[in-house]
Formats: sequence, C-alpha cells, structure tokens
Amino acid sequence: ELKVEQNPLFLSMQEGKNYTIYCNYSTTSDRLYWYRQDPGKSLESLFVLLSNGAVKQEGRLMASLDTKARLSTLHITAAVHDLSATYFCAVDSWGGSNYKLTFGKGTLLTVNP
Amino acid sequence: GAGVSQSPSNKVTEKGKDVELRCDPISGHTALYWYRQSLGQGLEFLIYFQGNSAPDKSGLPSDRFSAERTGGSVSTLTIQRTQQEDSAVYLCASSLEGWDRGNQPQHFGDGTRLSIL
Repeated sequence: ELKVEQNPLFLSMQEGKNYTIYCNYSTTSDRLYWYRQDPGKSLESLFVLLSNGAVKQEGRLMASLDTKARLSTLHITAAVHDLSATYFCAVDSWGGSNYKLTFGKGTLLTVNP
Repeated sequence: GAGVSQSPSNKVTEKGKDVELRCDPISGHTALYWYRQSLGQGLEFLIYFQGNSAPDKSGLPSDRFSAERTGGSVSTLTIQRTQQEDSAVYLCASSLEGWDRGNQPQHFGDGTRLSIL
C-alpha cells in the first residue's frame, strides 16, 4: 500500500524567512503533485512534477522531485502572510482498476508578521 | 472557464437518512474522482470514473456507498442509511483522462460538507 508522509505537519514562520516542507512516499512513482488548501476552500493545484530531477517554481514557492530517494520538497522563500494555508503532496497510482491520488496529511503553514 | 461544480455545498441530515451528492465536472474532462476529507482520516480516495466505463468500487468505505456517472458527465455519490462517521467533506475532482494524462492535475470542486446528526 502506497504511503505518503509529509513533515512537518505544522509550520509557523516569520515573514521573510525560508523553509522547506518534505514529502516522502513509499513506492516507485515518477509523478508527484502539490496542492494548496485555504481554510474552508477546496484544493488548488500548485505543481505537477513528472520526472526525476524535476524542478518547478512559481513566485516564492519551488518544488523538486527526487524519484530515487522517493522525496519531494516544497521550498518557501521569503515567506509572506498570503502563503498561509495547508499544503498537500500527492502521488498517483493504480489500485485495482482505480487510478487515484494518495495524499499526505498536509502541512499547515502559518506565516506571522 | 467553469470549474468542477458540486451540490449541495452543505448538507445536514439525521442518522439513518439517505443523501445524494452531485458533481458536474469540467467540460471535456473524461476522468472523474470522488474523495472525502475528514479530520481523522485526511484525504481518502473513494472512486474513479473513466468516461462511461464501469467503476471499481473497492475504494468505497462500505456497501452503503454507491456512485454513478450518467452519460460520461455528471456523477452522483449516494450514501444510504447514513452514520455519524460519514460526516466529512466530500470532494469531487476531474481531469483530462486518467493515467495517460498524468501531466495534468486533478481539478477539485469546493466540496459538499456533510454533517450527520
């Protein structure tokens, strides 16, 4: 059974600081997804990482994928309050005839002034 | 363009009643997925539809849950004889095909918040 683990689960940062969220998964996969969720809202796609060594950047967020280590990172540069949200990584797989995403538990990020 | 649309946005019902949740995917998306999100269990996959193909129901948590997709578009998730542990946010997502288009993310609706009294 595919397991996806994120850490930390809770992250409180000061504005302007840098930090990294880690996502480990248990089986071979070349595809990993990052989503953002604001309180009471749905999931918004941030990044799709499709191969080993993939790196994508959008604003203050940069995501990378190391398929050999089964590890993805989401790096936050010079955090601002607007980045406060819960961030999920997810890995796709087949389970029987079901194509699905398996999510980590999420990282609740709070950026303080 | 329009995103994934779910209704109702909130549903409160008594234990033992049946509920029906609706999902209208993004136009042109052939793959449709149901997930549920709860504090205790996080985000759990429920079921996947690819076009008009019959789904694999093994991800549904019990035989009180069923889902169908009519005409390869709108889907309904039905929960019979609801229990308190069914309380959760039920999320629908759609994407261009499934595995073959893994470079496209799944797009999620706003969800239905289901509360069982």
